[in-house]
Amino acid sequence: KAGVTQTPRYLIKTRGQQVTLSCSPISGHRSVSWYQQTPGQGLQFLFEYFSETQRNKGNFPGRFSGRQFSNSRSEMNVSTLELGDSALYLCASSFRVGQGYEQYFGPGTRLTVT
Amino acid sequence: SQQGEEDPQALSIQEGENATMNCSYKTSINNLQWYRQNSGRGLVHLILIRSNEREKHSGRLRVTLDTSKKSSSLLITASRAADTASYFCATDPDGGTSYGKLTFGQGTILTVHP
Repeated sequence: KAGVTQTPRYLIKTRGQQVTLSCSPISGHRSVSWYQQTPGQGLQFLFEYFSETQRNKGNFPGRFSGRQFSNSRSEMNVSTLELGDSALYLCASSFRVGQGYEQYFGPGTRLTVT
Repeated sequence: SQQGEEDPQALSIQEGENATMNCSYKTSINNLQWYRQNSGRGLVHLILIRSNEREKHSGRLRVTLDTSKKSSSLLITASRAADTASYFCATDPDGGTSYGKLTFGQGTILTVHP
């Protein structure tokens, strides 16, 4: 099976702009999670989607949003970019293992805000 | 805040030696997963161990889990220069409401010298 894909891989934006990142999960996986990774805060959970519904959300401002399509592909959007939004954004595709999840990550999108 | 804490923060060894990394967490869990990350790229899934398992092997990897101590260890035997990377443990909290959210530790940076 093909792995998780993310596009674009690199992005440079200016403060105040908005950005949309895309993620295609592993075929058959219906759950998609997003994470932000920065040197200072490490890996932090943004949100999770399953069957086009957001089921879980991390502690991020409303500028961060996402959606999932009927084919399980997901997008996340960040509006009014700030310098602190510079990070590696990782998407993960999950399937259930017992009561929990096994997650597989994509290569990430490196966002630089100038 | 991060649920997991990895120890040590950095580890430097010679090729052929074994590397042991430890992870502690705070709440009861469904599963614990270990990931590898090379130089700011995506996370590679190494192994998942369920809360009712005590030990698991995959190739040169051995993972142990002690739920009474809320800790796990990852052993890499006969290390290679290619094992140089950051290693993270990730947990999904018990309770059924975590929905695709993993909580990561800060990671251990492993350097294997040829």
